[in-house]
Amino acid sequence: AQSVTQPDIHITVSEGASLELRCNYSYGATPYLFWYVQSPGQGLQLLLKYFSGDTLVQGIKGFEAEFKRSQSSFNLRKPSVHWSDAAEYFCAVGVPDDTDKLIFGTGTRLQVFP
Amino acid sequence: EPEVTQTPSHQVTQMGQEVILRCVPISNHLYFYWYRQILGQKVEFLVSFYNNEISEKSEIFDDQFSVERPDGSNFTLKIRSTKLEDSAMYFCASSAATGTHYEQYFGPGTRLTVT
Repeated sequence: AQSVTQPDIHITVSEGASLELRCNYSYGATPYLFWYVQSPGQGLQLLLKYFSGDTLVQGIKGFEAEFKRSQSSFNLRKPSVHWSDAAEYFCAVGVPDDTDKLIFGTGTRLQVFP
Repeated sequence: EPEVTQTPSHQVTQMGQEVILRCVPISNHLYFYWYRQILGQKVEFLVSFYNNEISEKSEIFDDQFSVERPDGSNFTLKIRSTKLEDSAMYFCASSAATGTHYEQYFGPGTRLTVT
């Protein structure tokens, strides 16, 4: 069965520092890959997605993610974090042409210090 | 920008009571979903709904759960007799088409607390 692992439950960074949030998935082929962000009181907002092609994808708010097939990973990065990036980040996978459901990881809570 | 809305934001109920969680999907979307997240655990798929019927459901979605689109705008999740383990954040989502390559837009969630 497909699964998603986000190894880091909580990450704290200083404003202006770089950020990498880890995501690993388990699936026999290449799934669709997503990163969502949830700010307090808000819904899950899609940051970026990967379906095929260029393995480095750009998203909103200055985020990017890189798909590495050999590592079954889809890590999220940002070169310089802003205080407003403090939120919960969820990695998710979708199974192509098989189902509508997204399979989520447990999330990583990002705290940003000034 | 259109958004998915959910009411209430927080619902407290006693074990055994029925609850209805409400969602207003984006107006031109046709596919609707419920997910839930028990505190500290993964966001889990519950059910997808299209054309007034369930298109897919997970093993969590047992006979205690039902979904309905009672009018042209609302999409509801009913839990018939709540249990303590139903305490979770419930997210509604909608999409313009089927297949996970179409973006699912999520609401802010309803936190359900069963006492």
